Parts: sequence; structure tokens; C-alpha cells
Amino acid sequence: GAVVSQHPSWVICKSGTSVKIECRSLDFQATTMFWYRQFPKQSLMLMATSNEGSKATYEQGVEKDKFLINHASLTLSTLTVTSAHPEDSSFYICSASHRGNYGYTFGSGTRLTVV
Amino acid sequence: RKEVEQDPGPFNVPEGATVAFNCTYSNSASQSFFWYRQDCRKEPKLLMSVYSSGNEDGRFTAQLNRASQYISLLIRDSKLSDSATYLCVVNIGSSASKIIFGSGTRLSIRP
Repeated sequence: GAVVSQHPSWVICKSGTSVKIECRSLDFQATTMFWYRQFPKQSLMLMATSNEGSKATYEQGVEKDKFLINHASLTLSTLTVTSAHPEDSSFYICSASHRGNYGYTFGSGTRLTVV
Repeated sequence: RKEVEQDPGPFNVPEGATVAFNCTYSNSASQSFFWYRQDCRKEPKLLMSVYSSGNEDGRFTAQLNRASQYISLLIRDSKLSDSATYLCVVNIGSSASKIIFGSGTRLSIRP
């Protein structure tokens, strides 16, 4: 089946530094990749939609200058959390649709802790 | 009103019981519907899509009621391994561009 590989699975960084999270579709082309954030005991919140070769579309309230998304190829999308702060600590997950409207495959998630 | 609403639970039921979850959505133009399962500290995994005619996959049955704008998930003969959070997911766009997650319903199966 379709696989989305996400790295790193966890990262601890110092406040003020930047962290890059990668998502790769391994056996299919992901023209669209979604980036989510999930705080403890809460649901996934869509942060942005990334389209290959164009600018990402950000949800209301998500700072595009803080969460940089790059979707340079059909198999790779990256999310960079810039100048991370402790409140950015969360579980970040990407997903891609590989069968049109018939389901989405998720990466394994990245647990970010900013200290 | 939230776009997708679920009872957060938790539902605590004995092994072998039948349990049902409902999920309501506010956008009548919603296109497609799914149930996902998420284990603690893991990514969501697709459990099943929900079709207008209703569909069954083993012990799991999903139904869609467009008139009342809700979907349901029924789990029969529940197993300990069914313990998880079940997420209702609605695609409100005409393409794969706007999928909304419910807050999830926690299910705990006890021996």
C-alpha cells in the first residue's frame, strides 16, 4: 500500500532554533500534502496544504513565516518550524491523498519538544 | 458550531460488547467521509470509508445519513485491541483539499 515516510520521529531542540520535518511519499506521487498539528488530547488541526511547485495554503491563524513549507517535488514536502518556542511543542503529522477522495495516508508523525 | 463534532467519550465497555459512535457535520456539501483509528502517540490509520449505502468490514459497520448530516460507526464483538481513539473525518471540498477531523472518541475495552 501507499507509504508516507516522515522524519524525524522525534526531536528536542532549544528555543530559538529551527527544525525541519520531512515527508516523503515512497511509492506514489503526492501532488498535495497536508500538514497537521496535534496537541495532547486534542484532534488533528490542519495547518496548511502543500501543493507541488506552488506556494502552500495556510489555515487561518497559522503563521506562514514561522511554519515554512516547501513541496519541491512530487515525493517530498518539508515543514520547517523557525525560531521554535516551547508553545510550538506538539505532534506534527503529514498526510497525502493517493487515491483521490478515497482516503489519506499519514506519516508516522514527529514529536517536537522545544526546551 | 464545529464543522465536525464527536462525543469525546471515553467509552468504557467490556470485551464482546457492541458499541456505536456518532459524528455530525455541519457542511451539507461534504463530499466524502471516513473513520480513522488513532492509537496513543501514533498517526491515524484509515479504518474505513463511509459510503451512502452503508458498508461493513468484518465487525465494523459504517453508515451515512445525509439528511441528518451524521455518520456512525458500529463495532460488534469488541476486542481489547479495539481500544483507541476513533476519528471522524469529513472532506468538505470537491477535491482532496479540505479534510476536517473530528476531535475523536476514546474507546477503552476492558477484559
